[in-house]
Amino acid sequence: QVHLVQAGAEMKKPGSSVTVSCKASGGTFSTYGFSWFRQAPGQGLEWVGRIVPIIGVTNVAQKFQGRVSITADKSTTTVYMDLGSLRSDDTAVYFCARQDRGVVPSTGFDLWGQGTLVSVSS
Amino acid sequence: SVLTQPPSVSAAPGQKVTISCSGSSSNIGKDYVSWYQQLPGTAPKLLIYDNTVRPSGIPDRFSGSKSGTSATLGITGLQTEDEADYYCGTWDSTLSAMVFGGGTKVTVL
Repeated sequence: QVHLVQAGAEMKKPGSSVTVSCKASGGTFSTYGFSWFRQAPGQGLEWVGRIVPIIGVTNVAQKFQGRVSITADKSTTTVYMDLGSLRSDDTAVYFCARQDRGVVPSTGFDLWGQGTLVSVSS
Repeated sequence: SVLTQPPSVSAAPGQKVTISCSGSSSNIGKDYVSWYQQLPGTAPKLLIYDNTVRPSGIPDRFSGSKSGTSATLGITGLQTEDEADYYCGTWDSTLSAMVFGGGTKVTVL
């Protein structure tokens, strides 16, 4: 059974960067797409960006362009999100999620990681 | 939010609720809609994908539909464990981004 396992919580200073990892244990990348979301305390879901490893496609939400990089390591079936120039309002739980048909960007996210809390404070 | 959902809906146990999700021709009007349930402190769970399809293990009390630029999630036979936040989502071709509604809190009276 495949799980998405995310790294533990991170505490960062404003202006620094954070890398959050998401390992797809028990499977391969196949034709999956992987997205990153975040959820600030008491707020809704916000999509950050996505990657489809098999075709090398990435998309990043406009508000994060220039600050976010999403990559994938096929050998370790791990997806990464790098977020730079951190601000206090980047404090949130960051989730990775999988789409069964990565080439169909609107299809549902059927598997989710447990979430990684990123706290940004001076 | 690009997609519009009511902030809250409520009903008694056993009753039915519907949650609307309104978008535009560049998102719902053009592509698949999915629905998610999120319990406090947990990751979202996929309830409906490709407008109407329930993943394995999701009870048939949950249903999805789409018409034009709007989609609807229906929950029949409401149970206390259905108390959660519900989100709709789809791809927006103009933004080249996944977009979501702001979420709807379902309360079982």
